[in-house]
Amino acid sequence: ELKVEQNPLFLSMQEGKNYTIYCNYSTTSDRLYWYRQDPGKSLESLFVLLSNGAVKQEGRLMASLDTKARLSTLHITAAVHDLSATYFCAVPPRTQGAQKLVFGQGTRLTINP
Amino acid sequence: DAGVTQSPTHLIKTRGQQVTLRCSPKSGHDTVSWYQQALGQGPQFIFQYYEEEERQRGNFPDRFSGHQFPNYSSELNVNALLLGDSALYLCASSSTGSTVRPYEQYFGPGTRLTVT
Repeated sequence: ELKVEQNPLFLSMQEGKNYTIYCNYSTTSDRLYWYRQDPGKSLESLFVLLSNGAVKQEGRLMASLDTKARLSTLHITAAVHDLSATYFCAVPPRTQGAQKLVFGQGTRLTINP
Repeated sequence: DAGVTQSPTHLIKTRGQQVTLRCSPKSGHDTVSWYQQALGQGPQFIFQYYEEEERQRGNFPDRFSGHQFPNYSSELNVNALLLGDSALYLCASSSTGSTVRPYEQYFGPGTRLTVT
């Protein structure tokens, strides 16, 4: 059974600093999703990583995928308060036709001025 | 282009009652998945509908059932509500038939269900 683990689960950091959120998954999969969720809101799609070595960047966020290590990272550069949110990674099991997603527990990110 | 829509936004029910939640997928999408997100947790997959049939199911009891209509919209029904069913229910749409972006997964705004 596919399991997805994120760390850290809670992260408090200062504006201007850099940090990385890690996402490990237990069985083979060919893509990985990152979502952002603000309190009481739905999930906003950030990145879809489709292949080994994929790297995507949007503003101060950069995500990468290593399918051999079953690891994805979400790197935050020079954090700003607006990035405070909960970040989820999600992985689809490698089953033909499967589109369901298995989510990590989420990383609650708080960026302080 | 309308994204994924869900109704109602909020709902309060009493234990033992039944509830129906609704979802309309993004234009061009034909597959609807439902997720339950308890407070402070990641979303948990309930089931997925494609071509009006349940294609996959997560570890949820039979009290949770669904339906997909010919226009691809979907309903989630929960019978005999328990306090533990209180959660944010999210609908996600995707396209099984797409060869361009088969990996797209877009989430609706969610329905907040409170069971008292």
